Amino acid sequence: DAGITQSPRYKITETGRQVTLMCHQTWSHSYMFWYRQDLGHGLRLIYYSAAADITDKGEVPDGYVVSRSKTENFPLTLESATRSQTSVYFCASRDALGTQYFGPGTRLLVL
Amino acid sequence: QQQVKQSPQSLIVQKGGIPIINCAYENTAFDYFPWYQQFPGKGPALLIAIRPDVSEKKEGRFTISFNKSAKQFSLHIMDSQPGDSATYFCAAIRDSGGSNYKLTFGKGTLLTVNP
Repeated sequence: DAGITQSPRYKITETGRQVTLMCHQTWSHSYMFWYRQDLGHGLRLIYYSAAADITDKGEVPDGYVVSRSKTENFPLTLESATRSQTSVYFCASRDALGTQYFGPGTRLLVL
Repeated sequence: QQQVKQSPQSLIVQKGGIPIINCAYENTAFDYFPWYQQFPGKGPALLIAIRPDVSEKKEGRFTISFNKSAKQFSLHIMDSQPGDSATYFCAAIRDSGGSNYKLTFGKGTLLTVNP
């Protein structure tokens, strides 16, 4: 399937567990982004990547780790999940004209 | 520090009405202002965007008005339809470089268009 996909779409985990959210894009876009969406906060940037093996922090990076070994994949890992990380997570990629394309999101519940 | 302020938080209009969503920004280095539309359970999708060299841009029923001196921009939806019910986000970016293409989003406006 062309486009940007995320998995899983829904995840329930417990406090302290490690969780990895996957993101895959088929366009070979250089730039990729992870956002979290919470009521009252809108979309906040967690991490972004300019290319394979180049990543940097966004606005709210604490508690998250990213990697980008391949251009098409940009996984986000919660090393030790906390209740405050309950959120909807969106992955996005940017095309050469500047448009960011968002995935369908992953709804994460941390108990 | 919130660099893009969006209002109102929610908006209810009747079918055919013209909802208006406003955004204000602080960083004068921003040079690209997109609007995203998000339906429940979906990711945001680009709706329309404007650069500060023009004061207005129309695409179908959607219009962006831009006031560079006031550092404000707004989205108007003409002849609104129930299918326009969604959350709308304004955003800003320094697209000319130096920002790594990081969008700064407003907090969103939940629009409901009643039949």
